[in-house]
Amino acid sequence: DTAVSQTPKYLVTQMGNDKSIKCEQNLGHDTMYWYKQDSKKFLKIMFSYNNKELIINETVPNRFSPKSPDKAHLNLHINSLELGDSAVYFCASSPGSGGYTFGSGTRLTVV
Amino acid sequence: SQQGEEDPQALSIQEGENATMNCSYKTSINNLQWYRQNSGRGLVHLILIRSNEREKHSGRLRVTLDTSKKSSSLLITASRAADTASYFCATDARAGTASKLTFGTGTRLQVTL
Repeated sequence: DTAVSQTPKYLVTQMGNDKSIKCEQNLGHDTMYWYKQDSKKFLKIMFSYNNKELIINETVPNRFSPKSPDKAHLNLHINSLELGDSAVYFCASSPGSGGYTFGSGTRLTVV
Repeated sequence: SQQGEEDPQALSIQEGENATMNCSYKTSINNLQWYRQNSGRGLVHLILIRSNEREKHSGRLRVTLDTSKKSSSLLITASRAADTASYFCATDARAGTASKLTFGTGTRLQVTL
């Protein structure tokens, strides 16, 4: 009965590869997000979708492409991975006002 | 750009003591939220305070908000070892109709027995 689940939990890959992270929420929330947490624990918003529509796109390289097939799912595809992409990526959802519910994170390591 | 700065960056106290963390931010907000992150885990929502509120309580947590000073504080009373975690403030400044949380730098709290 996990509220926001993301897979995989760990991802180790070589530079130049393409990878995807999947996220699903069963809370019925309309809005979903991707956040990136760097090695200094700083969290930065990347994208936000409301009911499958992209509403926030922070200055993220276009190698990152989110996709929301329905309002319960928000996936993140990353092309041509670089060393600097190594971080923990968190998916979150919110009802529009109020607290966010975060997934447990995907630790991406690019070697 | 980063919205919030938290102070202190790290705090070490003994069980039973109170812990106070402060957060400052730069722009107008809709609400301010506090989250806890245990090591290697996701963030857990603790409490939300709206811009027209000054103080809010939830169990052992007390949050204050001073919009004139653009600052907030989180007080954890009678701390326990299980409170050991990083604590983040996050401001919600709406981008149109979209809620957008911007996080502070975090305070690492260590509670020792």
